[in-house]
Amino acid sequence: EPEVTQTPSHQVTQMGQEVILRCVPISNHLYFYWYRQILGQKVEFLVSFYNNEISEKSEIFDDQFSVERPDGSNFTLKIRSTKLEDSAMYFCASWTADNSPLHFGNGTRLTVT
Amino acid sequence: AQTVTQSQPEMSVQEAETVTLSCTYDTSESDYYLFWYKQPPSRQMILVIRQEAYKQQNATENRFSVNFQKAAKSFSLKISDSQLGDAAMYFCAYRGLDYKLSFGAGTTVTVRA
Repeated sequence: EPEVTQTPSHQVTQMGQEVILRCVPISNHLYFYWYRQILGQKVEFLVSFYNNEISEKSEIFDDQFSVERPDGSNFTLKIRSTKLEDSAMYFCASWTADNSPLHFGNGTRLTVT
Repeated sequence: AQTVTQSQPEMSVQEAETVTLSCTYDTSESDYYLFWYKQPPSRQMILVIRQEAYKQQNATENRFSVNFQKAAKSFSLKISDSQLGDAAMYFCAYRGLDYKLSFGAGTTVTVRA
């Protein structure tokens, strides 16, 4: 069964540094998402992306965040200047826009020191 | 935004017994989807079961079943014949017309041998 692939599985960075989290969605999917889960807390929506543009973003997704689909396969989340509170698990998900569920990747654990 | 409420932070069940996790949600939409996701210590998000709101019949997947009460906006998950591998965090999630998932705060299930 096709999978959503996320790299790296764990990223450690220093406060103020830029990070790029990478995702390869399932190839025929149309909608792409990023979610965040701070340790021990609920999974929070960050952004959805459709037709090469952001379709919706949450209040968490401020100017420090950006998403891009640089080619036909990758979907990236960039955090421009990381803060300690950005430490979390980041999940990428994709969807075919039918009655099927979202498919989640295994997540990238981001640790900001 | 839709609100998903899981009122049980933790539940404990004896192996081979049954446990029921509660979930309520708030929406004005008539057509939507509901999901239960399992998150083991690896922090993957694994789909357990889903329910389309227009279907009156409760969904079942092997030992997992739901009690969907649309009028009451309730969507509980029953795990029968609990196994040690069922120990995880369980998230209830709602997907409406905006195509994004809204998650509850989660319920941690421990299984006693």
